Amino acid sequence: GQNIDQPTEMTATEGAIVQINCTYQTSGFNGLFWYQQHAGEAPTFLSYNVLDGLEEKGRFSSFLSRSKGYSYLLLKELQMKDSASYLCALGGSNYQLIWGAGTKLIIKP
Amino acid sequence: DSGVTQTPKHLITATGQRVTLRCSPRSGDLSVYWYQQSLDQGLQFLIQYYNGEERAKGNILERFSAQQFPDLHSELNLSSLELGDSALYFCASSPDRVFGNTIYFGEGSWLTVV
Repeated sequence: GQNIDQPTEMTATEGAIVQINCTYQTSGFNGLFWYQQHAGEAPTFLSYNVLDGLEEKGRFSSFLSRSKGYSYLLLKELQMKDSASYLCALGGSNYQLIWGAGTKLIIKP
Repeated sequence: DSGVTQTPKHLITATGQRVTLRCSPRSGDLSVYWYQQSLDQGLQFLIQYYNGEERAKGNILERFSAQQFPDLHSELNLSSLELGDSALYFCASSPDRVFGNTIYFGEGSWLTVV
């Protein structure tokens, strides 16, 4: 099976850095996605890791370690608009995405 | 704007009724996915179609059904509605069924069952 664990909620301060972790147990997957979802809105794509290592995109970076069953999303220079849920998803063997429950990030001034 | 269009945006209906949600995928995308998201819950995968054929089924109730038409638009039919069916229903699309392609979500259809 594929179990994905993310913290339910995190709080950070505007201008700071926050790391959102995603751990998983799976026999195999094709890659790992991160999506951002503001309340009541559609999830939007942030990043995709298929190989181990760090992928950087502006203020957001995502890291994957297949051997450790671990990924994280790093958000720098936090802005109030970054308050949202962040969803980790694994690519399953049947072309499906297996979604984590998401981490609600609260940014405080 | 993701390019995925969903209608209606909001819908209020009574228990026992039937509704149809419609989705137009991004131009050129062959795969359509349907997801359900209840309040403060995660995304629940319902079903996927690829080029008109059902490809994968998730936690879709027997009261629910879907199809993808030759023009690639898709419809999700929800029948014998219950209060617990109140949720945000997302449609998403991707270019093909080969993994690695990002899926893009529509803005969702809010369904309220009263």
